[in-house]
Amino acid sequence: AQSVSQHNHHVILSEAASLELGCNYSYGGTVNLFWYVQYPGQHLQLLLKYFSGDPLVKGIKGFEAEFIKSKFSFNLRKPSVQWSDTAEYFCAVEGSNYKLTFGKGTLLTVNP
Amino acid sequence: EPEVTQTPSHQVTQMGQEVILRCVPISNHLYFYWYRQILGQKVEFLVSFYNNEISEKSEIFDDQFSVERPDGSNFTLKIRSTKLEDSAMYFCASSSGVGELFFGEGSRLTVL
Repeated sequence: AQSVSQHNHHVILSEAASLELGCNYSYGGTVNLFWYVQYPGQHLQLLLKYFSGDPLVKGIKGFEAEFIKSKFSFNLRKPSVQWSDTAEYFCAVEGSNYKLTFGKGTLLTVNP
Repeated sequence: EPEVTQTPSHQVTQMGQEVILRCVPISNHLYFYWYRQILGQKVEFLVSFYNNEISEKSEIFDDQFSVERPDGSNFTLKIRSTKLEDSAMYFCASSSGVGELFFGEGSRLTVL
């Protein structure tokens, strides 16, 4: 069975700081990986996804993630965060039946 | 842009009562899901549905839960006899099967 670990429960940054959120997964097959974001009071939205090809994936709003197969990792990065990036971020791995297994989430607070 | 819609946005019920949460998936999608998120915890998979039957369910999805696609557009989650621990945000999602799940805004269930 697949599982996802997100190392940081709550990250607090100032605007313009760089961001890296860790995600490690375990899954026996070919992986499809996702980062979803949940802004306060809103639904889950897709930030970016990795299926195959270039391991450096670019998503919306300046986010990117790097798939490192040898480390079973898919860390999310952004060079300069904004106050509007305050949200909860979920890493997910896709298994059978296109089912997603989510990590516990990382709450990002960006102070102006 | 097509979206997944859920009703009600918030339901308060007494323990032991039946609850039905409704979802209208994106119209050309074939895979449907229910997830839940207990306050402060991660998003958990409940059930996936394809071709008019359950394709996978988690251990959370016990005999108190059922899903139905009664009319080709709605996708419902029924909890027969609610318990306090069923209090959570329930998310419906749909997919065309190419990897990305589209989530609704969620239905918050409060069991008293």
